[in-house]
Amino acid sequence: DTAVSQTPKYLVTQMGNDKSIKCEQNLGHDTMYWYKQDSKKFLKIMFSYNNKELIINETVPNRFSPKSPDKAHLNLHINSLELGDSAVYFCASSRPGGAAPLHFGNGTRLTVT
Amino acid sequence: LAKTTQPISMDSYEGQEVNITCSHNNIATNDYITWYQQFPSQGPRFIIQGYKTKVTNEVASLFIPADRKSSTLSLPRVSLSDTAVYYCLVGDLASGGSYIPTFGRGTSLIVHP
Repeated sequence: DTAVSQTPKYLVTQMGNDKSIKCEQNLGHDTMYWYKQDSKKFLKIMFSYNNKELIINETVPNRFSPKSPDKAHLNLHINSLELGDSAVYFCASSRPGGAAPLHFGNGTRLTVT
Repeated sequence: LAKTTQPISMDSYEGQEVNITCSHNNIATNDYITWYQQFPSQGPRFIIQGYKTKVTNEVASLFIPADRKSSTLSLPRVSLSDTAVYYCLVGDLASGGSYIPTFGRGTSLIVHP
């Protein structure tokens, strides 16, 4: 049973489109995250939710909007996609607390043409 | 902003011990040090975590000096399957007091036959 699952695994779309990435965790964690990994492999945090509430928004453009319908899900919706949005997006979850290890999904590779 | 510094890349041979050092000069009193491993096309995976001195598990050892300004991940007798990117992570605080799991640039380890 996959602990943190993301769909789709690959997403190819054109500039200007709107797309969503879904994430679900079955670990019972309260905290979920979205990270962006660019072509240089730099992992940058985008958002963090704790028990469905946004607690971190790291200067991400307004075109990115996370939605947490319940604490097991954190979806990412992206409006008006741009070429620079091409990257691998990782969802992760953890127990609350700074020392809690993160559990990552296997990523969604987004390609904007 | 990432507060850690690691070598960009390292090379080793099968059967050797590999030590990867991470600098975190501004580590806070309550911060833990966590290491992750990432294979291509996968999300990062937790390896080991420590606060001070030495921690060992079935995968690796983590050495932390008394001043905690650096840490060393030690992989005993590496194999080809240990080829991956290794990330050092230290706790951080957002403006709202929330924990930000901030990754460094990572060290790309290549193990040669």
